[in-house]
Amino acid sequence: EAGVAQSPRYKIIEKRQSVAFWCNPISGHATLYWYQQILGQGPKLLIQFQNNGVVDDSQLPKDRFSAERLKGVDSTLKIQPAKLEDSAVYLCASSSGQILSSYNSPLHFGNGTRLTVT
Amino acid sequence: TQLLEQSPQFLSIQEGENLTVYCNSSSVFSSLQWYRQEPGEGPVLLVTVVTGGEVKKLKRLTFQFGDARKDSSLHITAAQPGDTGLYLCAGARNYGQNFVFGPGTRLSVLP
Repeated sequence: EAGVAQSPRYKIIEKRQSVAFWCNPISGHATLYWYQQILGQGPKLLIQFQNNGVVDDSQLPKDRFSAERLKGVDSTLKIQPAKLEDSAVYLCASSSGQILSSYNSPLHFGNGTRLTVT
Repeated sequence: TQLLEQSPQFLSIQEGENLTVYCNSSSVFSSLQWYRQEPGEGPVLLVTVVTGGEVKKLKRLTFQFGDARKDSSLHITAAQPGDTGLYLCAGARNYGQNFVFGPGTRLSVLP
C-alpha cells in the first residue's frame, strides 16, 4: 500500500510570512494527525481528525495555526504568520482504527515537511 | 516537564555490542509504543505493549513493560549499523487517548 504522502519536503520562509503543508493519508484511514517535531524532541500532537471532524486540537496554537480536512481524506496545515520558534519538522500520520480502539492502531507517518523560519 | 523521560539521550556503540535504552514516567500508562525514526523520515512503529510485565521480542530487539506500567525498556542484542536511529517511546494514559511521545534516544552504531 502507498504510504502517507506529504509535501513539500522542505520550506524556508521569513518570519511573519505564511506557509501551508499538505498531507494525503493511507487510503481508507479515517484518523489523521498533524505533529510538530522540534529538533531534539519527540513529536508533539497539534491536531487529530476523525474523518473530517476535529477530535483534539487542544495543543494547536489557534492564533496562528489552522488545519482542515474538508472531504475526510487530504489535509492541509497552515501557519500565518510564522514565528522563528515554528521551525520544526511537521509530520502527518494516519491510522485505520476508530477512536475507541486507537491505542491498538499503529500510526503510519509521512516523511514530514522541514520548515525553517528565518 | 516531560511526561515521558528517555535515557540515555545519546548512545554511540560499536557493531556487535548490546545496549538498553529506557523510557520512564511517574504516570501509569494503559499502553506504550516504541518507534524508530531514521534521518529524514517519519517514525516507524516497532511494538505496542499493554500488560504490566509484558515482554515482546522482535528479532534482536526485546521490549519490556514495567510491572507498574510506568516504565519500559528496549534491549538490542548484537547491534548493527542498520539499528542507527532515534528511538521514541510513546504512552497513552487511558484507553483510546492519544499517545504522548518522549524526547527519544539517538543511537549510533559504528561499523
